[in-house]
Amino acid sequence: NAGVMQNPRHLVRRRGQEARLRCSPMKGHSHVYWYRQLPEEGLKFMVYLQKENIIDESGMPKERFSAEFPKEGPSILRIQQVVRGDSAAYFCASSPQGQGATEAFFGQGTRLTVV
Amino acid sequence: KQEVTQIPAALSVPEGENLVLNCSFTDSAIYNLQWFRQDPGKGLTSLLLIQSSQREQTSGRLNASLDKSSGRSTLYIAASQPGDSATYLCAFPDRDGQNFVFGPGTRLSVLP
Repeated sequence: NAGVMQNPRHLVRRRGQEARLRCSPMKGHSHVYWYRQLPEEGLKFMVYLQKENIIDESGMPKERFSAEFPKEGPSILRIQQVVRGDSAAYFCASSPQGQGATEAFFGQGTRLTVV
Repeated sequence: KQEVTQIPAALSVPEGENLVLNCSFTDSAIYNLQWFRQDPGKGLTSLLLIQSSQREQTSGRLNASLDKSSGRSTLYIAASQPGDSATYLCAFPDRDGQNFVFGPGTRLSVLP
């Protein structure tokens, strides 16, 4: 059973471009979470999704950021018109139930650098 | 709103020492807690999960305890090794149990 897979591992974008980050949860997991880790800061929750539904997006900036978890395929975190402040490590986690009830497993992260 | 703190922020010890990392939280109505390890530039590795009904959990040289009444969890590492050098994070679900609130971490360096 492969772990949580994120790609790409590293992504460089110029200011104004779009960044698309992908996350494939562990097999059998239907709950996906995205977290952001800014340089020298802790992990902050962004969004919680189940298949085809956004459950909680309270941690996600209102503009330029969006997330989806389609019926088929990976979860996608999309950042439009990236700015330097978006440079961070973005981590995805998955669990078979909500994170409050069960163990969560994290991917290796995507490190976004905006130049 | 759940808030999590970790003490110390950084710790440097010689190889072989036993050490304790501390984690405090404000809302005792927690479902469970999880300790993670993060190596520089890498993802998070789950170390231990303590269910709300448990008081401690052990895995190899690691032992984590949970005291909900005092709002504290400790991670005990026995006979530390240089390979234990990493940042250790504790995390608790928020009140809705929907996602984790992470502590800022303890950066551990074990010197050979």
